[in-house]
Amino acid sequence: SQTIHQWPATLVQPVGSPLSLECTVEGTSNPNLYWYRQAAGRGLQLLFYSVGIGQISSEVPQNLSASRPQDRQFILSSKKLLLSDSGFYLCAWRAGGPDTQYFGPGTRLTVL
Amino acid sequence: AQTVTQSQPEMSVQEAETVTLSCTYDTSENNYYLFWYKQPPSRQMILVIRQEAYKQQNATENRFSVNFQKAAKSFSLKISDSQLGDTAMYFCAFADGQNFVFGPGTRLSVLP
Repeated sequence: SQTIHQWPATLVQPVGSPLSLECTVEGTSNPNLYWYRQAAGRGLQLLFYSVGIGQISSEVPQNLSASRPQDRQFILSSKKLLLSDSGFYLCAWRAGGPDTQYFGPGTRLTVL
Repeated sequence: AQTVTQSQPEMSVQEAETVTLSCTYDTSENNYYLFWYKQPPSRQMILVIRQEAYKQQNATENRFSVNFQKAAKSFSLKISDSQLGDTAMYFCAFADGQNFVFGPGTRLSVLP
């Protein structure tokens, strides 16, 4: 069966520090991968998605970036965090086609 | 572009009662999927139910069922015999081959 992991689960970082959040999927190959951000009590904002290694599409201009160095690994990064980057970050995967997205447990990021 | 609308930001229901959450969507596609996700206080996104647009029969998962009206582009979720553990944010979502779009969510509180 497929599983999706995210780490760390919780992160507190100072403004201006770098960021690296990792997402890995097991039990499937060539998944579509997604990064979402969610403010408290709000909906999901799609940040990036990837249909293959090295292929990244950005939905929202910001100081974040994403990379997909391996088929089942998706990384969210920043060189310098802003206060507004605080939030809950969710990674998701789905097989090709109009099918279900499955989510990881999320990372709670607080920027101080 | 596809859009998903949830017109009820918040709802409440008494334990053991039935509640219906509304969702409408807009698309010109004929082949797509619709979903309801649940996000409890843990913030893990959990798939509740999904519906393939080509199927006329409404999907059912235990106490959860949908009323899919394709011509009206409506996809409501009915929760029967509500339980305290059903307290969560509920997101309606649409997917076709290219897009995966979430609604803004409905916060459901089940009252003892």
